Amino acid sequence: DVVMTQSPLSLPVTLGQPASISCRSSQSLVYSDGNTYLNWFQQRPGQSPRRLIYKVSNRDSGVPDRFSGSGSGTDFTLRISRVEAEDVGVYYCVQGTHWPRTFGQGTKVEIK
Amino acid sequence: QVQLVESGGGLVKPGGSLRLSCAASGFTFSDYYMGWIRQAPGKGLEWISYITSSSRTIYYTDSVKGRFTISRDDAKNSLYLQMNSLRAEDTAVYFCVRDAYGLDYWGQGTLVTVSS
Repeated sequence: DVVMTQSPLSLPVTLGQPASISCRSSQSLVYSDGNTYLNWFQQRPGQSPRRLIYKVSNRDSGVPDRFSGSGSGTDFTLRISRVEAEDVGVYYCVQGTHWPRTFGQGTKVEIK
Repeated sequence: QVQLVESGGGLVKPGGSLRLSCAASGFTFSDYYMGWIRQAPGKGLEWISYITSSSRTIYYTDSVKGRFTISRDDAKNSLYLQMNSLRAEDTAVYFCVRDAYGLDYWGQGTLVTVSS
């Protein structure tokens, strides 16, 4: 199985400041169709996960533009340009290229 | 809009059984791979099973093989998970998910508690 490694696992952030989460995969996530199926999910406390970013850098509908994704191959990053109170939660990277799908351990974002 | 609604969770004794259901709407269910993911209290996410369209391929994580059975009824737009021989370590919220090159939609989850 593809191992997804996130860092950091805990991220205290000051409101209005940027935040960045890294995700590395043990194998390339480039699929045979040329796409890279790396998604980012947000799980707010008490809620089910919600997809924010798909195929590395595409924001889902309704996702604020302060969220952005980047990367290629095996190395990916989720950035929040200015953290707001509603961004508190756990963020997961998930690969959709290989079966079974695998997750990062999760990064807990909290306000300092 | 896409909706996935799980049901069937609850409190069960070790060794007991439960059947989870997931009612899907807002998309052509038969076209999609579907799966179950669980999250133990305070823990991360774990894929436990998926089923391809037309039920051609089924996958189970090692910890549930031989105990859990995934199935789908495309005529009823429904996904199921039969869970037998339940153990304390199966205690978790179980999410129904749709897969389209990685998960896109999740249900709200149903809590399964295995305790005597």
